[in-house]
This record gives sequence, C-alpha cells and structure tokens, in this order.
Amino acid sequence: GNSVTQMEGPVTLSEEAFLTINCTYTATGYPSLFWYVQYPGEGLQLLLKATKADDKGSNKGFEATYRKETTSFHLEKGSVQVSDSAVYFCALSGWNNDMRFGAGTRLTVKP
Amino acid sequence: EAQVTQNPRYLITVTGKKLTVTCSQNMNHEYMSWYRQDPGLGLRQIYYSMNVEVTDKGDVPEGYKVSRKEKRNFPLILESPSPNQTSLYFCASSTSGSDGEQFFGPGTRLTVL
Repeated sequence: GNSVTQMEGPVTLSEEAFLTINCTYTATGYPSLFWYVQYPGEGLQLLLKATKADDKGSNKGFEATYRKETTSFHLEKGSVQVSDSAVYFCALSGWNNDMRFGAGTRLTVKP
Repeated sequence: EAQVTQNPRYLITVTGKKLTVTCSQNMNHEYMSWYRQDPGLGLRQIYYSMNVEVTDKGDVPEGYKVSRKEKRNFPLILESPSPNQTSLYFCASSTSGSDGEQFFGPGTRLTVL
C-alpha cells in the first residue's frame, strides 16, 4: 500500500540556517504530495503541495519538488525564523482519495 | 468565519462506554475525513467521505464508525472504546477530495481508562 517516510526529528537550527526535511514515498499510480505544518495546540495547515512529477510547490519561503525518479518530496527553506518552529508532516493522496502521512518532524529554531 | 469545529475538545471516559465526537464544517465541502494522531506515527486516516451517504475505510477503521447524513456533519462513533483508542483525533474537510487543501479542526483529545 501507499506510505510516506520522513526524516526523524527533532531538528534544531539557529535562526537564518538552511533547512532540509527529507520525505520519500511509496505509491501506486500518480499521487499528489503535500507538506502540512502543525503549530502547538492546533490542527494541521497546508504549507504547500504538488500534483505531478517535476512540479514545485512553494509558500512562505518553503519549497519542495515532486521527484518521481527518486520518489521524494524534500522540504527546504533557505533561512529559517523562530516562527517556523512547528511539526512538519509530509503526506500523499492516493488515487482513491485516501491519505497517508509521515510521522512528522519537529523543528525548533533558536534565536 | 470558515471553519471546522469538533466537540468535545477533551474527553475522559471508561472502557466500553459508547461515545460520539462531532465534526461540522461551514464551507460546503464534499470531502470529510477523520484522523488519529499518535506520537511517532503521525496522522493515520480512520474513515473518509466523498459526499453524503458515501463513506470509505481509511488505514485504521477498526473500532470506529462514521455516518454522513448531511453534508456539513461527519460524526465519529466509538461504540465500545478501549484504552488503545486513547489518542488525539482530527476532523478535516476539503472541497476537492484528498487532492485539495484539507482544513483541519482543532482536535479532540480522548482518554479511555
């Protein structure tokens, strides 16, 4: 079945550091891929998405490219801020509208 | 304000006592879904619904029931809760299936003793 594997955390960075959170997937067909973010005490919010190979999703300085050849969707940001501290989830949507999420990666950014 | 609401937000109950967690959305979304969040496991989908009277099992449906009699509501029913159902539950809705942006409710923290 479909599955998502993402980099284990926690990740601690200094402000303005470069961020990469790795995500790989296994799926039949052509899934859509997502990054969701969860701030403390809240539900998840969509950060970015990509629906086909080579698409790049971007939002708030975050980017991820749908790589079919490596079945990956790594999240990157060039310069993180303290306000980026949160838990990040990679997810995929299958052909029959089922969803699979990764385990989540907790990011802490220190001033 | 466009939102997904869940009730209750917190619930402590005992094994075997039937309970219902309500979920309602005011965005006229067709797709609704329930997830549970457990440490180290991320979110796992319990059930989802593409429209009224249409529901499908997700990854972990055992021990749960759902119904979709109206477009805006998608209650989660635990007919005989057990301690392994202690978890944080999220309801979500989307306008275009799971491909679209899902809007999440604030979560319901359930403890089964």
